[in-house]
Amino acid sequence: DIVMTQSPLSLPVTPGEPASISCRSSQSLVHSNGVTFLDWYLQRPGQSPQLLIYFNSSRAPGVPDRFSGSGSGTDFTLKISRVEAEDVGIYYCMQGLQTPWTFGQGTKVEIK
Amino acid sequence: QVHLEESGPGLVKPSETLSLTCTISGGSIGTYYWTWVRQPPGEGLEWIGSVFYNGYTYYNPSLKSRVSISIDTSKAQFALKLRSVTAADTALYYCTRAFCSDTGNCWRLEHWGRGALVTVSS
Repeated sequence: DIVMTQSPLSLPVTPGEPASISCRSSQSLVHSNGVTFLDWYLQRPGQSPQLLIYFNSSRAPGVPDRFSGSGSGTDFTLKISRVEAEDVGIYYCMQGLQTPWTFGQGTKVEIK
Repeated sequence: QVHLEESGPGLVKPSETLSLTCTISGGSIGTYYWTWVRQPPGEGLEWIGSVFYNGYTYYNPSLKSRVSISIDTSKAQFALKLRSVTAADTALYYCTRAFCSDTGNCWRLEHWGRGALVTVSS
């Protein structure tokens, strides 16, 4: 199985400031067709997960442009350009390159 | 707007079978892989398996011997059955929708249900 490792596991943030979360995979997530099968999800407190980013850097419909995904191979980053109060929750990366699809442990983002 | 809703018993006895149904509304069933993901209390997310509209399935190997996922396009529903459950299967079970290629690469899990909490206890 591909192991997904996130850091940090806890991230206190200040509204208006940037924030970033790292995700590392145990093997490359780049398919032979050039597509990177890495998604990012946010689970707000008491809610279901929601898709933020797919294919490493494509924002899902309705996701604010303050969220961006980047990286390559085995190292990926989710960046929030200016954190807002509604961004608190647990962020997960997920690989869809091969079954079983696997998630990172989650990074809990909370306001300082 | 696509809406998914889980339903089924909230309490299952050890060694019995967990059965959940996800009802799809507001969108087409074809093209997508209909997916189950679970989350034990206070823990992270685990992919269980997915089913295409034609019945083709992918399963997590860690659960494959106990799990089956089926789809009924006429009812716009897909179902999860997990046999021989133990306390370790206590979790919030989500249904969602994914895009997948025919080689098993998948992405973009969208339109998650609210989740169904299933507790395994005698």
